Order: sequence, then structure tokens, then C-alpha cells
Amino acid sequence: NAGVMQNPRHLVRRRGQEARLRCSPMKGHSHVYWYRQLPEEGLKFMVYLQKENIIDESGMPKERFSAEFPKEGPSILRIQQVVRGDSAAYFCASSPLRDTQETQYFGPGTRLLVL
Amino acid sequence: ELKVEQNPLFLSMQEGKNYTIYCNYSTTSDRLYWYRQDPGKSLESLFVLLSNGAVKQEGRLMASLDTKARLSTLHITAAVHDLSATYFCAVGSNDYKLSFGAGTTVTVRA
Repeated sequence: NAGVMQNPRHLVRRRGQEARLRCSPMKGHSHVYWYRQLPEEGLKFMVYLQKENIIDESGMPKERFSAEFPKEGPSILRIQQVVRGDSAAYFCASSPLRDTQETQYFGPGTRLLVL
Repeated sequence: ELKVEQNPLFLSMQEGKNYTIYCNYSTTSDRLYWYRQDPGKSLESLFVLLSNGAVKQEGRLMASLDTKARLSTLHITAAVHDLSATYFCAVGSNDYKLSFGAGTTVTVRA
């Protein structure tokens, strides 16, 4: 059973470009979470999605950031007009249920560098 | 807002000795997780603690939870080199949101 897949693993963008980060949850998991990790910090919750629904985007910046989890295909975290402060590691996690006892399984992350 | 504090942030361990990492959190929660992260890698789940007094052990690592004190500890017994990593605690709030501590970077030296 493949784990959570993320691609690309590394992404370099110039200021003003768009970044698209993809996440395929574990098989059988229908809940996806995105977290951001700034250098030498813990992970910060960004958004929680189920298929075709954004459940909670309270941790996501109001501008330039958007997320989706379509009926078919991976979840996408999109950052428009990137700035240097967007440089971070972005992790996706998935779980099978919205259950307080379920562990969230993390992908390998996408490390975004904005030049 | 749930705040999670870990200490120490950096821990230099000598092989063979015992150490403890502390995780304090600010509001009531019914679940606490410990994760390990190697440099440039993802987070590996170590323990899930779901009740007051819960204790779990795996190899040289043991985690415990005191919900009344809002404190979890990760105890490392007889440290070895392959335990070098960053360890995060994460506290659950509502159904799904995890709040992470800043992490404890562990280096084990001979």
C-alpha cells in the first residue's frame, strides 16, 4: 500500500510565478490536510479537505493561496504570485476517517524555494 | 488558540544515557501525537496517546500523557546514534486539526 505521495519534491520559482503542489492520499483515505513548515519551526495547519469540499481553510492565507481536492485526481495546493516568504516545506497528510483517534499519515513534502 | 511548547529545542545526547523531551499544551485535548522527522524527510508517526495516564513504548522510546497537567513526555533510554532526528509533539483539537510544537532536534554523540 503506497503511502501519501507528493510531487514535486522540490520546486523552485521566481517571485511572481505560480506554484502548484500535488498530493495523492493513501489508498482508501478521503481526508486530506495541508501543513506548512517554515525553517526550524513546527508544522502549521493550513487547510482540510474532503473530496470536492473544503472543510476548514482557517490556516490558509486569504490571498494568493487556494486548495482543491477534486472527485478524480490529487489534491492541489496552489500559490499564485509567489513571494520569498512562501519558501517553506509543504506537507500533505491523509486519514481514512474524520476520527479523533486516527493518525494523520504524512507525505514526503514539497520544498518550495522562491528566488 | 491552542499553543504547544516543547523543550528543550536542542538536545545533545551522549550514547548510552537517558533523556526526556517535554511537551506542554495550553488547552484541553483528547489526543497527542509524537512524530520523528529526519533531515529533508517527512514525519514518521511514533505514538498516539489518547487518554490520561497513557504510556506507550517502542524500543528505546517511551511516551506518556498527563492530561490534567497538559503535559506529555518522550523518554529516551540509552541513546544510540540512529535516534538522531527532530522530534515533534502534536496536539489534536476539534476533530482533525493538529497543532505542532517547534520540535526538538536531537543529536547523539559517541
